[in-house]
Amino acid sequence: DSGVTQTPKHLITATGQRVTLRCSPRSGDLSVYWYQQSLDQGLQFLIQYYNGEERAKGNILERFSAQQFPDLHSELNLSSLELGDSALYFCASTEPTGDSNQPQHFGDGTRLSIL
Amino acid sequence: SQKIEQNSEALNIQEGKTATLTCNYTNYSPAYLQWYRQDPGRGPVFLLLIRENEKEKRKERLKVTFDTTLKQSLFHITASQPADSATYLCALGGRTGFQKLVFGTGTRLLVSP
Repeated sequence: DSGVTQTPKHLITATGQRVTLRCSPRSGDLSVYWYQQSLDQGLQFLIQYYNGEERAKGNILERFSAQQFPDLHSELNLSSLELGDSALYFCASTEPTGDSNQPQHFGDGTRLSIL
Repeated sequence: SQKIEQNSEALNIQEGKTATLTCNYTNYSPAYLQWYRQDPGRGPVFLLLIRENEKEKRKERLKVTFDTTLKQSLFHITASQPADSATYLCALGGRTGFQKLVFGTGTRLLVSP
């Protein structure tokens, strides 16, 4: 058990809808990373937060947004969903140095299926 | 653009043999490299980190090498076991803090009894 909790485990919705994925990092970790994993793309970095502030941005679409709350949990919001958004979404956290040069601890992901 | 290549074909080996997985990269000068294991339906699990000034790192049956001239990392599992069957991902990290990790697509390892 990595200590990173993601909910829900599975989400099935329709095109055009909006969903929220939730992540609780390991106790004491300040950084949260979001990744998208699809069959043909591998793990793609979306965005990183550190202690409530956005720190790095990857290939995140404008339809997607995220935030980290004072209790350090994070939410990834996906809107105007398209079939191509079907994927596994992972959250990871790292020890509180704030440096990405640390092992990342991953949750077991949310599987999003768009019908 | 940055490119990381891992064998997309599965690697099949017999129990007890050494598995060697390759990670090649181009258009990138990483400060460090990490290896992760991923089982179906689970998140990646960190295995080893090696920095650019380190040639080799070991942990129990695992060994990683990092050749910045060849732009390649090799990941070895000695005395492999069926429980080692999984997908192995390499990830490259940058030189300053808060930079993203760039992951390869992974190589699936199948160890038969």
